[in-house]
Amino acid sequence: GAVVSQHPSWVICKSGTSVKIECRSLDFQATTMFWYRQFPKQSLMLMATSNEGSKATYEQGVEKDKFLINHASLTLSTLTVTSAHPEDSSFYICSARDLSHSNQPQHFGDGTRLSIL
Amino acid sequence: AQSVTQLGSHVSVSEGALVLLRCNYSSSVPPYLFWYVQYPNQGLQLLLKYTSAATLVKGINGFEAEFKKSETSFHLTKPSAHMSDAAEYFCAVSDAYNTDKLIFGTGTRLQVFP
Repeated sequence: GAVVSQHPSWVICKSGTSVKIECRSLDFQATTMFWYRQFPKQSLMLMATSNEGSKATYEQGVEKDKFLINHASLTLSTLTVTSAHPEDSSFYICSARDLSHSNQPQHFGDGTRLSIL
Repeated sequence: AQSVTQLGSHVSVSEGALVLLRCNYSSSVPPYLFWYVQYPNQGLQLLLKYTSAATLVKGINGFEAEFKKSETSFHLTKPSAHMSDAAEYFCAVSDAYNTDKLIFGTGTRLQVFP
């Protein structure tokens, strides 16, 4: 079945640094990928929709300059948390939809746990 | 606007007992409904989905859910719980005309006791 890979799975870094998270669709192409954020014991909140070859669409309240999204190919989207602070610590999950199966649901990656010290 | 309400943030059952996880939705357009399972430190795995075909939907791992329009519900059930079913379960809704945007419920943590 379709697989979405996220890397890294866990990252710890100092406050003020920037962190890049990769989301790859391994066996299908995806013009659209989605980035979610999940706080402990809470639900997933859609942050932005990543569109291949164009600008991402951000949900209300999500800082575009804080969370930079790049979708340079049909199989890779990246989320960069710039100048990360402790309040950015969270579980970030990406998902992607298989282009060739328009009625199929999104496939989720295993998530990236980000801890900012 | 769409929303999902999951009643009960925690559900505990004995191994072999019936599992019932509740989900009610609100949608002004025909909805698509989903149940996902999340194991610790992992992403979401699709259990089943309703996309306006059969109202009783069978999924993986013995789970099923019934879409009841009159009750705006999409409860998840499994006749006999296994220890391996212990996880977080999320109900989600999307617009039938725009399936990209998923709205998730707050989740229900299922505990299974031996």
